[in-house]
Amino acid sequence: AQSVTQLDSQVPVFEEAPVELRCNYSSSVSVYLFWYVQYPNQGLQLLLKYLSGSTLVESINGFEAEFNKSQTSFHLRKPSVHISDTAEYFCAVSEGSSASKIIFGSGTRLSIRP
Amino acid sequence: SQTIHQWPATLVQPVGSPLSLECTVEGTSNPNLYWYRQAAGRGLQLLFYSVGIGQISSEVPQNLSASRPQDWQFILSSKKLLLSDSGFYLCAWSPRTGFQPQHFGDGTRLSIL
Repeated sequence: AQSVTQLDSQVPVFEEAPVELRCNYSSSVSVYLFWYVQYPNQGLQLLLKYLSGSTLVESINGFEAEFNKSQTSFHLRKPSVHISDTAEYFCAVSEGSSASKIIFGSGTRLSIRP
Repeated sequence: SQTIHQWPATLVQPVGSPLSLECTVEGTSNPNLYWYRQAAGRGLQLLFYSVGIGQISSEVPQNLSASRPQDWQFILSSKKLLLSDSGFYLCAWSPRTGFQPQHFGDGTRLSIL
């Protein structure tokens, strides 16, 4: 069965510092991987996705994630964070079933200090 | 473009009262639909999903039920709410064909007193 582990429940960083949010998954088959972002009292927004092709995927706001099959990881990175990046980030995995079921990690709360 | 609506945004209900949360999707046909619950400080738990009208799959045994009376409508219900039903409820949709990520509504925050 597939599962997702986000190793850090909270990550505090200073503004303009780099950040990495870690995500590891387990699955016996090929997977699709996602990062979602949730701002306070809002739903989840898709940040980026890996379906196939290049293992490095990027979002429009400077985040990137790299699919590493050998390490079963999909860590999220940003070279320089802004106050507006304060949110909770969820890693998610799917084996691509017909119902497009997705398993979510427990989330990492990113807090940016000025 | 496709849009998803959830209401109400917040709800305060007494223990033992009934519940009905509604989710609608516009701009797409035959979507897969999902209900999740997010407890405070925890991740998302898939409660129900539906691949078509009247087709509901339950992921966890609980005090809740779901129905899909229309292709674009997904309803989460309970006959008698428990304190443990408190949480943030999220509806999501994904296209039926191919594999695509899910898109979420803004959620309903449910507080049980």
